[in-house]
Amino acid sequence: NAGVTQTPKFQVLKTGQSMTLQCAQDMNHEYMSWYRQDPGMGLRLIHYSVGAGITDQGEVPNGYNVSRSTTEDFPLRLLSAAPSQTSVYFCASSGSAGLLQETQYFGPGTRLLVL
Amino acid sequence: AQKITQTQPGMFVQEKEAVTLDCTYDTSDPSYGLFWYKQPSSGEMIFLIYQGSYDQQNATEGRYSLNFQKARKSANLVISASQLGDSAMYFCAMREAFYNQGGKLIFGQGTELSVKP
Repeated sequence: NAGVTQTPKFQVLKTGQSMTLQCAQDMNHEYMSWYRQDPGMGLRLIHYSVGAGITDQGEVPNGYNVSRSTTEDFPLRLLSAAPSQTSVYFCASSGSAGLLQETQYFGPGTRLLVL
Repeated sequence: AQKITQTQPGMFVQEKEAVTLDCTYDTSDPSYGLFWYKQPSSGEMIFLIYQGSYDQQNATEGRYSLNFQKARKSANLVISASQLGDSAMYFCAMREAFYNQGGKLIFGQGTELSVKP
């Protein structure tokens, strides 16, 4: 049981390039989400999904796309990278979208640098 | 508006002493949950403790306890008998029932705790 995995661990992009951050979980969790963490700030929600085929925007969705074709995978796409997207990206999952107390489990993070 | 505030950017504590990390929140939803996460220098987010808005007792998990004062809208984390391994960034987070929409969390800015030997 690997939990939540993210690839790559670290990536350098040039402005304007596109890329996909991968996230997978093997816990059969309904809910998956992407957060970004910037220095001096807490995590901010980018996009989330309550199940396969269902996604919605979070607090800071601009410049990012997501899709959820399977329960296990939730990739985050950067359409045209900008220096403002330099950040650490965390993927998270939880077992039920409806329970307040449901713990979210986080992946190890992807550190992205946009030059 | 939903908001989490952690007013202590950094704190120091002597090993084996107790420390309190402050967290205040703002919500108009009567049903919500409060979480604390630990982020060591390695970067992963580790769940520590949960408190529900209707829970009658303060949550405890080993050396961690949550001092929940609903009227004050505060949910302070208390770490007893601090250890060197407790040195990390600590985040308070909230989930609201009305805006649950899949369980999204709102995070505070974090408090960096340093434990001195």
